[in-house]
Amino acid sequence: EDKVVQSPLSLVVHEGDTVTLNCSYEVTNFRSLLWYKQEKKAPTFLFMLTSSGIEKKSGRLSSILDKKELFSILNITATQTGDSAVYLCAVNSGTYKYIFGTGTRLKVLA
Amino acid sequence: GAGVSQSPSNKVTEKGKDVELRCDPISGHTALYWYRQSLGQGLEFLIYFQGNSAPDKSGLPSDRFSAERTGGSVSTLTIQRTQQEDSAVYLCASSQGAGGLKFFGPGSRLTVL
Repeated sequence: EDKVVQSPLSLVVHEGDTVTLNCSYEVTNFRSLLWYKQEKKAPTFLFMLTSSGIEKKSGRLSSILDKKELFSILNITATQTGDSAVYLCAVNSGTYKYIFGTGTRLKVLA
Repeated sequence: GAGVSQSPSNKVTEKGKDVELRCDPISGHTALYWYRQSLGQGLEFLIYFQGNSAPDKSGLPSDRFSAERTGGSVSTLTIQRTQQEDSAVYLCASSQGAGGLKFFGPGSRLTVL
């Protein structure tokens, strides 16, 4: 059965810290991996990764995919209280099949 | 429209009542998805529409759930005879081509008392 596992489940850090969120997957047909930030209800798209070893970067956020070891990490440097959210990882395993992890809840303290 | 919109934002209903949730996708997007997110859980796939093709309903949890998409645009998710376990946030998303699942609506939070 296809699955996506995220770790840690939750994380509390202080402003300025750097965090690394993990997403591992087992799917029969990998097409891409996506990261989202979910603050209230709607997930907001962050990155889509299809190739191993190529880092995607946006400001203080970056992500990389390892297709050999079947995982991805999302890094947030110099965290701010506005980074507090649930971060979701999803794997596209078919034309329209997306398997979501349960998310990592990040809380950044001032 | 500028983004995916959903209504109502919040709905509180009594057990046994029927509810309808609406989704307006981004104009021109041919693919439309419904997901459900229970408290503390990931997103659970419900149904997928693509253009005029038959929808993939494989994620609907029971025959109390149904969805339609009229004119290839607006979609309505209907839950009949609601149960307390139906309480969740119902999320709609739309996409075009192979660009990935990037655009979600704000969600409809359903609470069944």
